[in-house]
Amino acid sequence: DIQLTQSPSFLSASVGDRVTITCRASQGIDHYLAWYQQKPGKAPKLLIYAASTLQSGVPSRFSGSGSGTEFTLTISSLQPEDFATYYCQQLNSYPFTFGPGTTVEIK
Amino acid sequence: QVQLQESGPGLVKSSETLSLTCTVSGVSISSYYWSWIRQPPGRGLEWIGYFYYSGSTNYNPSLKSRVTIVADASKNQFSLRLSSVTAADTAVYYCAREIYGGNFDYWGQGALVTVSS
Repeated sequence: DIQLTQSPSFLSASVGDRVTITCRASQGIDHYLAWYQQKPGKAPKLLIYAASTLQSGVPSRFSGSGSGTEFTLTISSLQPEDFATYYCQQLNSYPFTFGPGTTVEIK
Repeated sequence: QVQLQESGPGLVKSSETLSLTCTVSGVSISSYYWSWIRQPPGRGLEWIGYFYYSGSTNYNPSLKSRVTIVADASKNQFSLRLSSVTAADTAVYYCAREIYGGNFDYWGQGALVTVSS
């Protein structure tokens, strides 16, 4: 299985901050990576697919980059509704796997 | 509008079989791949497996010996069966639609299943 790690696992930030989350894969996955946002008690929401393509309806302050084994999710200006847990997911090979998550909390 | 809704018992006894159904509205299940994903309380996400209307399935090897995913196209539903459950199977179970080869764009609200001894 392809293992995904995320850093940091937790971050505290203020509204308006630029936030970057990193996801690393145990082997190359080309651009087959997605990012999700999950709020407590809710299902995950797809933000980005193919490493850098914004899902329809997702605000443009979210962006993704990377390929191979290292990827980043950036929120250009953190908004109150962005405080949540973010997961990366690889779809390069089965079984699909998710990172352990990064929780973004209010400073 | 695409909607998914999980249903099934919220409590299952250890060693028995967990059964959940996902009812899909707004799109035919014959048009996409459909997956089950679970999340133990306070923990991360685990992909369980997918079903395609042709009958094709693919399961996570960690669960493969215990998992079956089937569909009922006439009801636009697909179901998960997980046998010989233990406390480690306690989780919120989500059904989700796959697009572009494995991205999950629509999810159900989740169903908490607790395995009791």
